[in-house]
Amino acid sequence: EIVLTQSPGTLSLSPGERATLSCRASQSVSSSSLSWYQQKPGQAPRLLIYGTSSRAPGIPDRFSGSGSGTDFTLTISRLEPEDFAVYYCQHFGNSPPYTFGQGTKLEIK
Amino acid sequence: EVQLVQSGAEVKKPGESLKISCKGSGYSFTSFWIGWVRQMPGRGLEWMGIIYPGDSDTRYSPSFQGQVTISADKSISTVYLQWSSLKASDTAMYYCARRGDFWSGSGYYHGMDVWGQGTTVTVYS
Repeated sequence: EIVLTQSPGTLSLSPGERATLSCRASQSVSSSSLSWYQQKPGQAPRLLIYGTSSRAPGIPDRFSGSGSGTDFTLTISRLEPEDFAVYYCQHFGNSPPYTFGQGTKLEIK
Repeated sequence: EVQLVQSGAEVKKPGESLKISCKGSGYSFTSFWIGWVRQMPGRGLEWMGIIYPGDSDTRYSPSFQGQVTISADKSISTVYLQWSSLKASDTAMYYCARRGDFWSGSGYYHGMDVWGQGTTVTVYS
């Protein structure tokens, strides 16, 4: 089973700054298999990115994903107040389980 | 509108059984996998398992195999998550989510693209 490790655990930034969130896999994974989600308090998660770098419908272009092999990144180019939330990566392998990372909390500095 | 609507909050005692539901609408229910995700209080997302309502093919995370049962009734576009004997440690929010299939030109990419609103399960004596 592939383990996803996200870093940092908490990221403190100000609106307007750039955020870089990391997701590292315990073994090499296909770039087609990595997704990112945003979760705000009291809400269900929302799909942001699939296939490492493709934005889900309705997701602003300030969100971008990149990476390959074992290292993947979610970048938010210019933080808006509504972007402060918890972010999770998820791996879709050839078969389940489709594990999640432990999450990165993006908080206002 | 594509949506998943989950059953309401539950409060149970240890040892009791429970079945919660997730009803899909606005899309071809039998053509997409539906997964269940646990979120314990103040914790992250845990992937539990997934079912294909078209033929009820079901896969479980090793962590949840034998602890829960996932099933589907395609005649009413509903997926279920059930416990035969609840424990206090089952207290959590449970989400169902659809596995979206996005064509890339050379294959399908996946993401959990539609989520239910969540069902809170509280187990205490």
